[in-house]
Amino acid sequence: QVQLVESGGGVVQPGRSLRLSCVASGFTFSSYTMHWVRQAPGKGLEWVALLSYDGSNKYNADSVKGRFTISRDSSHNTLYLQMNSLRTEDTAVYYCARDPSGYPLFDYWGQGTLVTVSS
Amino acid sequence: DIQMTQSPSSLSASVGDRVTITCRASQSISSYLNWYQHKPGKAPKLLIYVASSLQSGVPSRFSGSGSGTDFTLTISSLQPEDFATYYCQQSYSAPYTFGQGTKLEIK
Repeated sequence: QVQLVESGGGVVQPGRSLRLSCVASGFTFSSYTMHWVRQAPGKGLEWVALLSYDGSNKYNADSVKGRFTISRDSSHNTLYLQMNSLRTEDTAVYYCARDPSGYPLFDYWGQGTLVTVSS
Repeated sequence: DIQMTQSPSSLSASVGDRVTITCRASQSISSYLNWYQHKPGKAPKLLIYVASSLQSGVPSRFSGSGSGTDFTLTISSLQPEDFATYYCQQSYSAPYTFGQGTKLEIK
């Protein structure tokens, strides 16, 4: 069955960096566009970034542009989110999600990993 | 950016009730609208895509309708497992914004 497992979250000081990973299994990872979506404490869902199946198209939300980079390693079925210059407002649970169509929509999600940015 | 506004923000209902949640886009998004269910500590779950298509495995009591700027999610007969927060999301243009959520609680 399809599984997405995020890791790499933790507590980090403002201005520092963190890299999140999402390991995929149960499907052909290299055939799917993938996304990161986050949820700040007590808030709703916010789309963060997408990366097409072949890596040719990537988009970021304005709130993370220039600071976060999405990438993938299809040989290891892994999606990454490199987060630099972290701000307190980046505190959130980060989910990776699969996009079955490039439409985009999110048909499978991971359980999420919590990132806390605090001094 | 396209703004998505859901109403109500919260809703109390009883098992067996028929419930409707509304989502309005700040501009026309054709039928590029999806609905998700989210329970605390769990992964969100896709319910409806392209406004009215039921995701595989989702019970038929869930249905979606609408086009342009106005959309609805209907649960025909609430079950205990349906109490959760529901989000709409537009796929028309980046950034792919979500509504603020509708928390469905037990009356």
